[in-house]
This record gives sequence, structure tokens and C-alpha cells, in this order.
Amino acid sequence: AQSVTQPDIHITVSEGASLELRCNYSYGATPYLFWYVQSPGQGLQLLLKYFSGDTLVQGIKGFEAEFKRSQSSFNLRKPSVHWSDAAEYFCAVGTNSGGSNYKLTFGKGTLLTVNP
Amino acid sequence: ETGVTQTPRHLVMGMTNKKSLKCEQHLGHNAMYWYKQSAKKPLELMFVYNFKEQTENNSVPSRFSPECPNSSHLFLHLHTLQPEDSALYLCASSQAGTSGGAGETQYFGPGTRLLVL
Repeated sequence: AQSVTQPDIHITVSEGASLELRCNYSYGATPYLFWYVQSPGQGLQLLLKYFSGDTLVQGIKGFEAEFKRSQSSFNLRKPSVHWSDAAEYFCAVGTNSGGSNYKLTFGKGTLLTVNP
Repeated sequence: ETGVTQTPRHLVMGMTNKKSLKCEQHLGHNAMYWYKQSAKKPLELMFVYNFKEQTENNSVPSRFSPECPNSSHLFLHLHTLQPEDSALYLCASSQAGTSGGAGETQYFGPGTRLLVL
């Protein structure tokens, strides 16, 4: 069965510093990978997704992620963090659950705190 | 209204109450989902509807009863809940049939924060 691991429960960075959030997945086939962000009291917003092709994916708000098949990883990066990036970040893998159905399996999330 | 909306945003109910959560998507999608988000746990998929037909029930207790009258609306009827059912309930939608299925992007509503006393 597929699974997603986000090793870091909570990360604190200073504003302007670079950021990398880790995500490892387990899935037997080619994965469809997603990063979502959730601000307090809000639903999840898609940052970026990987289907195939270029392993470096650009997303919204200056985020990017790199798919590394050999490491089963899809880490999220941003070169310079802004205070408004403080939120919880979720990595997810999309898989077929039979027929035309598919599902997203999420990691437990990484809470990002940004210090001024 | 745009995107995916959910009402109410907050709900407090007793264990003997009956209430319903409502979700509406304004994106023209044909698939809708209910998720449960509890503290310190990954999002749990509860139900999936494709073209108004329920296609997945992820072993959800019968005290949760979904209803999908059309492709734009999704309800979650609640009765005799337990305190451990307190959570954020998220609705999402997607356009089934694009991107090969497993790559379809799901768009989420803001959620209903439920507290069961």
C-alpha cells in the first residue's frame, strides 16, 4: 500500500532564509505527487504537482519541488521564506484505488513557523 | 461564490443530535470527496462520489451518512456521534477523467470544524 512520510513535524526558519521540507513516499508504480498548504482555519491549497517529465516542478508563491525516484523523495523548496508562508504543508501521493477511482494519500504534515 | 464552499464553518453538537454538513463546488467538477482531519493524524479519505455515484467508502462508521444529490452538492449527515469524531471535515472536488485519474487535482473547501460533546 502507498504511504507518505514527512519526517519533520515542525520547522522554524527566519524570514528570508531558505526552506526545504522533506517528503518520502512508498508506491510501487510511477507516482503522482502533490504539495498542498493549509493556513490556519483554511482548507488545503495546491502548491504544485508532479506527473511526469521534468523532475523539477515550479509552483505558486515561489515554491518548487524536485522528484528523485532513486530516493523516493519529493522535497519542497523555497529560496527565501516570507512571513506569510507560515502554515502547515502536506505532501500527498495520488494512486488508483480500482477502476476509474483514485485517491490521495497524505503525509501527517509539517508545520512551518517563520521568525521575523 | 467561487471554488468549494462549506457550511457551517463551525458546529457543536451533542452525541444524540442529528446535523448535516453541506459542501458546494462552483468549478463544474464531477467528483467530490469527504475527508476527516484530526490532530496529529494524516487526512483520512472518507467517501468519494464520481458522477453522483458513491465509489468509495473508506470503512466509515454508519453514523456518518453521505448524500450527493447532484455533481455540485455533497452532504454529510451526522447522527449519534462520539467525542472522538471531533475534527475538521474537509470537502474537495475534482474533474474525474482528466490527467489519467491519479493525477487529478483536488480542490478543497475551508472545512467544518466539528466539536462533539
